[in-house]
Amino acid sequence: ETGVTQTPRHLVMGMTNKKSLKCEQHLGHNAMYWYKQSAKKPLELMFVYSLEERVENNSVPSRFSPECPNSSHLFLHLHTLQPEDSALYLCASSQDRGFGNIQYFGAGTRLSVL
Amino acid sequence: DAKTTQPPSMDCAEGRAANLPCNHSTISGNEYVYWYRQIHSQGPQYIIHGLKNNETNEMASLIITEDRKSSTLILPHATLRDTAVYYCIVTGLQGGSEKLVFGKGTKLTVNP
Repeated sequence: ETGVTQTPRHLVMGMTNKKSLKCEQHLGHNAMYWYKQSAKKPLELMFVYSLEERVENNSVPSRFSPECPNSSHLFLHLHTLQPEDSALYLCASSQDRGFGNIQYFGAGTRLSVL
Repeated sequence: DAKTTQPPSMDCAEGRAANLPCNHSTISGNEYVYWYRQIHSQGPQYIIHGLKNNETNEMASLIITEDRKSSTLILPHATLRDTAVYYCIVTGLQGGSEKLVFGKGTKLTVNP
């Protein structure tokens, strides 16, 4: 166990659905991250939150909407997704977002968009 | 883009040492070398990191060459559970954040 829990582990949704991915960390960390891992592609950083404030958005389409209500929880709200958005979505946390902070990852949510 | 080059795959016999190489010829003076691994269907797991000195922890050893242009991750006694994709990442501070830029990594298969 890494101390970072993601739910659900698997999700199938249609292109017109709205769903949310949840991430919870029990490590007392101040920074949280969303990554996307598509088949046969490296992990891509999507969003970075530090102390509940979004500090980075790596040109992610607006159909992905992150929310960080407190330092322990991170959500990724999904709407009007495309089949190419099917991927493994990983959440991570670190003590802070500065240098030398090890990132701890959850097991991910495997998303399939039909 | 990832700043590292790793072989796409390697094999190792169970119980033997696994030596995973990484080239990072453009590394700058304030950048660290990190190693993570990703076991199938799980999130990446931190292994070790270093700047210029060799490092060792309970999981592995990291050997960095004197010119810092390459490094080797050593798993001293590989087990079947060490089968995973191993990522070598060079990182420093960018805009206040330390970014992990993952490449394709090395798929290590430990054979019985």
